[in-house]
Amino acid sequence: QKEVEQDPGPLSVPEGAIVSLNCTYSNSAFQYFMWYRQYSRKGPELLMYTYSSGNKEDGRFTAQVDKSSKYISLFIRDSQPSDSATYLCAISNNAGNMLTFGGGTRLMVKP
Amino acid sequence: EPEVTQTPSHQVTQMGQEVILRCVPISNHLYFYWYRQILGQKVEFLVSFYNNEISEKSEIFDDQFSVERPDGSNFTLKIRSTKLEDSAMYFCASLASGPDTQYFGPGTRLTVL
Repeated sequence: QKEVEQDPGPLSVPEGAIVSLNCTYSNSAFQYFMWYRQYSRKGPELLMYTYSSGNKEDGRFTAQVDKSSKYISLFIRDSQPSDSATYLCAISNNAGNMLTFGGGTRLMVKP
Repeated sequence: EPEVTQTPSHQVTQMGQEVILRCVPISNHLYFYWYRQILGQKVEFLVSFYNNEISEKSEIFDDQFSVERPDGSNFTLKIRSTKLEDSAMYFCASLASGPDTQYFGPGTRLTVL
């Protein structure tokens, strides 16, 4: 069983749609949950960071963590063409430890 | 806004040659990392470095790899004898401390011919 699984997409939505991106993980020791955005041939850019369970909101982005289901989500409201990128979830069991990444979901927002 | 920088942006080398990839982490950060991403694949952890020593490394990080923080600002990854399969994007990341997360540089694309 892979440690972190993510649907590769591509996910194509019209501009203004609500986007839901998800990851599942297998190790219950994971405590830190991150979402990164990656444009083609660029470095991952941090979007959201959550410790343990719960929700976190930042502008159009909301991150959710359900540790009982080992399931994390990123919601993007009012999606824009500039949101078109690959979204990576990344998980760690302790601050400072290595990140384990999902394979990324490619999102395309069409004008 | 402070950021992680990496040089060069693209490195082409012949198989068997040594390469050094350079990173300048964010200035007040204490933890440093190297990751790699083979084209079309996941970002994979290579090594973490704290307090002038390796704190964690993956199976990928074998004897051909080494890291160094030669001065107060640079963090380098050396590959002693490159193989074709070392071709990838290499990302440096840094973290301040405590419950924070890692900030990534733009990457160095390594092409081994």
